[in-house]
Amino acid sequence: EDQVTQSPEALRLQEGESSSLNCSYTVSGLRGLFWYRQDPGKGPEFLFTLYSAGEEKEKERLKATLTKKESFLHITAPKPEDSATYLCAVRGYGGATNKLIFGTGTLLAVQP
Amino acid sequence: GAGVSQSPSNKVTEKGKDVELRCDPISGHTALYWYRQSLGQGLEFLIYFQGNSAPDKSGLPSDRFSAERTGGSVSTLTIQRTQQEDSAVYLCASSDFPGGNEKLFFGSGTQLSVL
Repeated sequence: EDQVTQSPEALRLQEGESSSLNCSYTVSGLRGLFWYRQDPGKGPEFLFTLYSAGEEKEKERLKATLTKKESFLHITAPKPEDSATYLCAVRGYGGATNKLIFGTGTLLAVQP
Repeated sequence: GAGVSQSPSNKVTEKGKDVELRCDPISGHTALYWYRQSLGQGLEFLIYFQGNSAPDKSGLPSDRFSAERTGGSVSTLTIQRTQQEDSAVYLCASSDFPGGNEKLFFGSGTQLSVL
């Protein structure tokens, strides 16, 4: 069964303190791995899609990387506005092609 | 519209009542998804519509849940005889997938509270 596990559940950083969020996955053939950001009271907002091991994507202070078993979301010199829940999801080539399987997310708080 | 629109934003109902949740996807998006998000839980897939194809209902938790999509656009999720465990945020998303970009665009959700 396809599965996504995110760690840590929650992370508190000081402004400017870089760190990484982890997403471990099990899927029968990875079609794509997705990162989303979710603010309180809002739906998730798309950040990145990664398709193959070794691929990297960057956007402002965020960089996503992918291996055959996990993905990392690196946050460099974060600011308070980066505070949000970060969700990881996978789409496989198997029977679950129609849907994204989401992890439970990492709640990030960046303090000024 | 500019994005995915869901209504109502909040719904409080009594146990045993039926509720209808509405989703207006982005114009032109052929794929529409319903997810459920409970406190401390990940997003749980409910149902997927793609064009005129038969929907993927594999995530619906019981036969009290049903959904339809009229004219390939607006979708309604219906929960009959609501139970307290149905309390959650119900999120709708649309995308161009599989014909185009795979990313999902989400609405802000409907917060359902069953008393």
